Amino acid sequence: QVQLQESGPGLVKPSQTLSLSCSVSGDSITRPNYYWSWIRQPAGMGLEWIGRLSPRGSTNYNPSLESRVTISLDTSKNQFSLRLTSVTAADTAVYYCARDEGVELWGGGGYFDSWGQGSLVTVSS
Amino acid sequence: DIQMTQSPSSLSASVGDRVTITCRASQSIRSYLNWYQQRPGKAPKVLIFAASTLQRGVPSRFSGSGSGTDFTLTVSSMQPEDFATYYCQQSYSTPRTFGQGTKVE
Repeated sequence: QVQLQESGPGLVKPSQTLSLSCSVSGDSITRPNYYWSWIRQPAGMGLEWIGRLSPRGSTNYNPSLESRVTISLDTSKNQFSLRLTSVTAADTAVYYCARDEGVELWGGGGYFDSWGQGSLVTVSS
Repeated sequence: DIQMTQSPSSLSASVGDRVTITCRASQSIRSYLNWYQQRPGKAPKVLIFAASTLQRGVPSRFSGSGSGTDFTLTVSSMQPEDFATYYCQQSYSTPRTFGQGTKVE
């Protein structure tokens, strides 16, 4: 059974870069069936999709964050990472990594079938 | 972006009640609609995918229906562990978007 685990600093200063990693166990991150996503949730609020990585290494980002976001793959560690630059207090949230199962060849479809436990990141000086 | 609107935002229910939550998309998303349950302090958990397919291990009291722009999640008989927040999510296009959530209390 696949397990995902986020890791990274819990406190980031304004204007700096937020960096998180998601370690995947129980499955290979390079399997062709899955995409890998980051999703965040400010306290008491709803879910916001940040972006995803395809099996071929291509990325899709939320346009609202695209200028600041990079999602990348580290196959040697079986993990993927999130970088978010120039953070502000509005980026304070619980950040989840998730596996996107069932995405069709054209990139549509799929659902988030496995999630990490979440990593709280606070942006504050 | 495709906007997802859930109603109601919250509802009060009792054990044994039948509960229905609706989700409307701002444009047709065919059947590319998923439902998640989130308990406090926990990650969301998928209940239904592709509008009406029950995820393995999810109790059969949960069901989903709809296509195009209008979708429904039904819990046929609420159990104590079902009191949580529910989200719909479209997977028709990027960016993936979620409804604002429905808190069942």
